[in-house]
Amino acid sequence: AQKVTQAQTEISVVEKEDVTLDCVYETRDTTYYLFWYKQPPSGELVFLIRRNSFDEQNEISGRYSWNFQKSTSSFNFTITASQVVDSAVYFCALSESIQGAQKLVFGQGTRLTINP
Amino acid sequence: DAGVTQSPTHLIKTRGQQVTLRCSPKSGHDTVSWYQQALGQGPQFIFQYYEEEERQRGNFPDRFSGHQFPNYSSELNVNALLLGDSALYLCASSLHRGAVADTQYFGPGTRLTVL
Repeated sequence: AQKVTQAQTEISVVEKEDVTLDCVYETRDTTYYLFWYKQPPSGELVFLIRRNSFDEQNEISGRYSWNFQKSTSSFNFTITASQVVDSAVYFCALSESIQGAQKLVFGQGTRLTINP
Repeated sequence: DAGVTQSPTHLIKTRGQQVTLRCSPKSGHDTVSWYQQALGQGPQFIFQYYEEEERQRGNFPDRFSGHQFPNYSSELNVNALLLGDSALYLCASSLHRGAVADTQYFGPGTRLTVL
């Protein structure tokens, strides 16, 4: 079965520090998709990135960057120069394809607090 | 471009009652998935609807049922509510692409409290 592990339950840093959120996944599929979502206090899950298993290039979007390593089954997320607005719960998720239907398997989430 | 909408925002019910939650997908999307998120946990997949049929189901009892309408909107019904059903219920919409996992976009959720 698919599994996603986010070992860091909570992280607290001071504004402008860099922070990395870890994500380790387990799957037997050769083709799969990984996602990161942000959940602010309002509760809505906000999509950040989607990456397929064939593309191991790292991606950068502004202050956000993602490091995908198939060899270690990891898909880590780094925020550079963190800001208070980055405070939220962050979820890593893995898609599981079952007879043409796609379900997301989520990790437990990492609560990130950025202190001013 | 309207995103995923859900109603109601909050709901309070008592044990044994029944509840219906509603979801309208993002424009252009034809697939709706429902997730349950207990406090402090990651979302858990309930089921997915495409072409008005339940395509896949997570580990939830038959008390949880759903429906998808021709306009792609969806309902989640929960019968015989238990205290443990208290959670944030999230609806996500996507475009059906077979074996390719399209991005699922989430609505703001419905917070259900069972007393």
